[in-house]
Amino acid sequence: GAGVSQSPRYKVAKRGQDVALRCDPISGHVSLFWYQQALGQGPEFLTYFQNEAQLDKSGLPSDRFFAERPEGSVSTLKIQRTQQEDSAVYLCASSLRDPYNSPLHFGNGTRLTVT
Amino acid sequence: GNSVTQMEGPVTLSEEAFLTINCTYTATGYPSLFWYVQYPGEGLQLLLKATKADDKGSNKGFEATYRKETTSFHLEKGSVQVSDSAVYFCALISTLGRLYFGRGTQLTVWP
Repeated sequence: GAGVSQSPRYKVAKRGQDVALRCDPISGHVSLFWYQQALGQGPEFLTYFQNEAQLDKSGLPSDRFFAERPEGSVSTLKIQRTQQEDSAVYLCASSLRDPYNSPLHFGNGTRLTVT
Repeated sequence: GNSVTQMEGPVTLSEEAFLTINCTYTATGYPSLFWYVQYPGEGLQLLLKATKADDKGSNKGFEATYRKETTSFHLEKGSVQVSDSAVYFCALISTLGRLYFGRGTQLTVWP
């Protein structure tokens, strides 16, 4: 497909487990973002990559959250020792160039439920 | 700091009714403003944008005008359709490229 692909679509984790969420951006897209969307809220910024460089990780809520994009394409968001407050939809978005000058394309998200 | 305040929903309208969804913002500088839409089961999609004061963004019959004096970017449509039922998000982009979203407004249109 031509869009941003995220997997898994749904993830249920027991409290304390580690999870890994994958994002396949549109091919050739330089910028990649992760957002967290809690129920009934708008998406909130987590982190931003330009190619393989993580330029901004100020939105990551704790040191349990870690993101990487080692080859400048696929990205993984890892959450260690999940807590109930981590339950949310995690959205990935990519853009061809910098996000100020090219539109963001969002994936359908991964819905994480921590029990 | 940057923030977006959006009118709370849900909004329920009959087909062909007029729609307004209010959005105001707080920002440092003059950011670009956006409306995103999320249809059931789909990802967020850009609906329209405006990059400077008095710009009007428009798409699919929806319009929004960037009002610097009132720090607003209200979404309007003259005649809604059942297919417009979705969640609408107002957003601004910071100079660092991150989007700040409102809470979203659920719109339901009945035939």
